[in-house]
Amino acid sequence: SQQGEEDPQALSIQEGENATMNCSYKTSINNLQWYRQNSGRGLVHLILIRSNEREKHSGRLRVTLDTSKKSSSLLITASRAADTASYFCATADDTGTASKLTFGTGTRLQVTL
Amino acid sequence: DTAVSQTPKYLVTQMGNDKSIKCEQNLGHDTMYWYKQDSKKFLKIMFSYNNKELIINETVPNRFSPKSPDKAHLNLHINSLELGDSAVYFCASTEYYSYQETQYFGPGTRLLVL
Repeated sequence: SQQGEEDPQALSIQEGENATMNCSYKTSINNLQWYRQNSGRGLVHLILIRSNEREKHSGRLRVTLDTSKKSSSLLITASRAADTASYFCATADDTGTASKLTFGTGTRLQVTL
Repeated sequence: DTAVSQTPKYLVTQMGNDKSIKCEQNLGHDTMYWYKQDSKKFLKIMFSYNNKELIINETVPNRFSPKSPDKAHLNLHINSLELGDSAVYFCASTEYYSYQETQYFGPGTRLLVL
């Protein structure tokens, strides 16, 4: 069954603004990852946060994880037109199954000039 | 140089045909995957191989048969194609037995069954 659900489904902002997207999941996880998918392309890994971490930064990206609420958020600061893409969260479970990621439904981000 | 490559990029075929999609990775990873992304962008894992051995096999019709001739290649053969098979199929790879790993995706193969 689908693990993650993302909110909002679509987000439109102007260049320079911040974009926040949220991900909720259902079961225990080992880590949570965020990926970006440009139109017509494959997914590209952005950032990984472990289950024992609460916040992580990478450049203009900030990810938070609240395991008690089973949710995560991705913040993109000072957005650029090139950030236009779909963003997916993916959870890695802790059942011992090697390398199984379950993806969310994705948030489509549109950054306009 | 492309890390994970797939061929073909586009595949248009008639219902009932048999087709194959090929995937190669030059990252030296042990584990490879096939994912299916439907029209609503929902991405679902289908199979995973580690060093030519099947380790993940989700609920997929047996018309889909993966094959890994070596750890750098994972091909997907689909028999008796159906309209519902139309989707984008992504190959991915990762290092094995590292629960902090990330996956590297290929560019996708867009399959359209008419």
